[in-house]
Amino acid sequence: AQSVSQHNHHVILSEAASLELGCNYSYGGTVNLFWYVQYPGQHLQLLLKYFSGDPLVKGIKGFEAEFIKSKFSFNLRKPSVQWSDTAEYFCAVNMDSNYQLIWGAGTKLIIKP
Amino acid sequence: DGGITQSPKYLFRKEGQNVTLSCEQNLNHDAMYWYRQDPGQGLRLIYYSQIVNDFQKGDIAEGYSVSREKKESFPLTVTSAQKNPTAFYLCASSNTHKDEQYFGPGTRLTVT
Repeated sequence: AQSVSQHNHHVILSEAASLELGCNYSYGGTVNLFWYVQYPGQHLQLLLKYFSGDPLVKGIKGFEAEFIKSKFSFNLRKPSVQWSDTAEYFCAVNMDSNYQLIWGAGTKLIIKP
Repeated sequence: DGGITQSPKYLFRKEGQNVTLSCEQNLNHDAMYWYRQDPGQGLRLIYYSQIVNDFQKGDIAEGYSVSREKKESFPLTVTSAQKNPTAFYLCASSNTHKDEQYFGPGTRLTVT
């Protein structure tokens, strides 16, 4: 079955630390890849997306993600986190242009000031 | 402002009652979606609609029903057949199936 795995359910970091959140999917065909973020009390919103082209994509608020096709991965990174990055982060994958997005379980990120 | 509205923000119902959650979008999107979000489980798709008067079941459609009579509106009914209805419900829309989905603020339903 098609699935998306986010290995870290909870991550706690200090401000200025570097961040990498893992996302792996199980599907060998064409994919569109997304990272969404849910700040406390706010709507889910798009951080960044990959459809084709340069596998290193940049999103809002200094986030970036790299698509590594051979590893079926789309990890999210930020060189230096801020307290305001405290949120829940979701990876989502659209496989073969279906209408359905397959979602990871989410990673709750807490940044200590 | 363009966006998706969901109402109400909080909803309380007694067991055995049907309840309808509202979702309206003014983004002129063709596709609309209903998700259920439970802690530690991510988002699970209940129903989706690609165009008016058409909708398909998602992964957890049992105990739910929808309609899509207008492009702007995609209401979700949680029926008494849904065994565990207490949850946070999210509505989303997208222009096409390839595009990002835009989300509403959600409705937290509590059934006692």
